[in-house]
Amino acid sequence: NAGVTQTPKFRVLKTGQSMTLLCAQDMNHEYMYWYRQDPGMGLRLIHYSVGEGTTAKGEVPDGYNVSRLKKQNFLLGLESAAPSQTSVYFCASRGRVHTGELFFGEGSRLTVL
Amino acid sequence: QQQVKQSPQSLIVQKGGISIINCAYENTAFDYFPWYQQFPGKGPALLIAIRPDVSEKKEGRFTISFNKSAKQFSLHIMDSQPGDSATYFCAASFETSGSRLTFGEGTQLTVNP
Repeated sequence: NAGVTQTPKFRVLKTGQSMTLLCAQDMNHEYMYWYRQDPGMGLRLIHYSVGEGTTAKGEVPDGYNVSRLKKQNFLLGLESAAPSQTSVYFCASRGRVHTGELFFGEGSRLTVL
Repeated sequence: QQQVKQSPQSLIVQKGGISIINCAYENTAFDYFPWYQQFPGKGPALLIAIRPDVSEKKEGRFTISFNKSAKQFSLHIMDSQPGDSATYFCAASFETSGSRLTFGEGTQLTVNP
């Protein structure tokens, strides 16, 4: 029972490089989310998806793109990385129930030099 | 704009003491208030949650107190243990927002033996 799996766990980029973070869930959840966690700022929502083929912007979407081509996968892309995107990124998923538990992955630590 | 404000940022408690973390929210449309617990190197995990139709919910040593008129809610950890040392996040959501959670800034709790 893997739950939510994020890859890679660590990555160092140079300014201007691009990369994709992959999130996979095996719980057949409809909803998936990408958050970033920075000290003193909690978890801020970047983008989310309410079903396969759908995406929507969260609080801090600038500089990121996402895709949900398959129900179990949610990809987060950085087209041109900036030092301000140095952060820990968390993917999460949950079922349709409004009060359902959000299941998080273990995070992906990204450093942009 | 931080819609959920959490305090204190850090908290040190002796073993056996009571830990209290407070949150205040602005949006009266919020109708679900969970608390998440995060250990170092892990993703957050649901600890306890409350709906606004009740003023208190208790699960073991963890209690949420909810004050709808003041737009505040708090987490109380009774008989705090060193194993409770973690970062705690309050959060809030409402169904018509896609049920996406807005998190507080987080509280780093340290329980000394």
